[in-house]
Amino acid sequence: QVQLQESGPGLVKPSETLSLTCTVSGDSINNYYWSWIRQPAGKGLEWIGRVSTSGSTNYNPSLKSRVTMSVDMSKKQFSLRLSSVTAADTAVYYCSRELYDDSGGYHPFDYWGQGTLVAVSS
Amino acid sequence: SYELTQPPSVSVSPGQTARITCSGDALPKKYAYWYQQKSGQAPVLVIYEDTKRPSGIPERFAGSSSGTMATLTISGAQVEDEADYYCFSPDSSGIERVFGTGTKVTVL
Repeated sequence: QVQLQESGPGLVKPSETLSLTCTVSGDSINNYYWSWIRQPAGKGLEWIGRVSTSGSTNYNPSLKSRVTMSVDMSKKQFSLRLSSVTAADTAVYYCSRELYDDSGGYHPFDYWGQGTLVAVSS
Repeated sequence: SYELTQPPSVSVSPGQTARITCSGDALPKKYAYWYQQKSGQAPVLVIYEDTKRPSGIPERFAGSSSGTMATLTISGAQVEDEADYYCFSPDSSGIERVFGTGTKVTVL
């Protein structure tokens, strides 16, 4: 059974950098895009971006200037860094995956982490 | 940036049919995906590639798409279907991923 688990500080100060890691178990980390999605309390889902196992990235244009994603194949982990955070970045952060199968089919977000709440406050 | 628009809420009686729409300019060229999110839980995929149901998803969930609108239909809605539903699709370039604004489905 595939499992994804987010980890990182639950509280970040304004102007600092939010750092989260997602650990993958139950499947290979290869051949997927690994994604971050967030959800402020009472609001909708927002795609933050994704990183492939080859290191290529795509980011939400509204966050692109502040986001960095990376993957560590040996640890089966991928990471999110969001710089210069404000209260507007307070949200539950989810990690998930996207697959392109051999026939070109696209399968987004079939597995999700449980989510981790990150609050931005001094 | 690209947007997918959904109605904020839909209410149905148990056993009735709920229809949730998702409007986006790229939907004629890109598939729509639908996610169900119950309170306090991570989203779950209920429809992929416009019309397909993952294994384990009840047959009462069906998807369709025509032009710039995709639709999720819950036939014979059950109380346990009460949740927020989000459509999802890439933009026309295939690079940006976008979730719809979300629809709260109430079954009572």
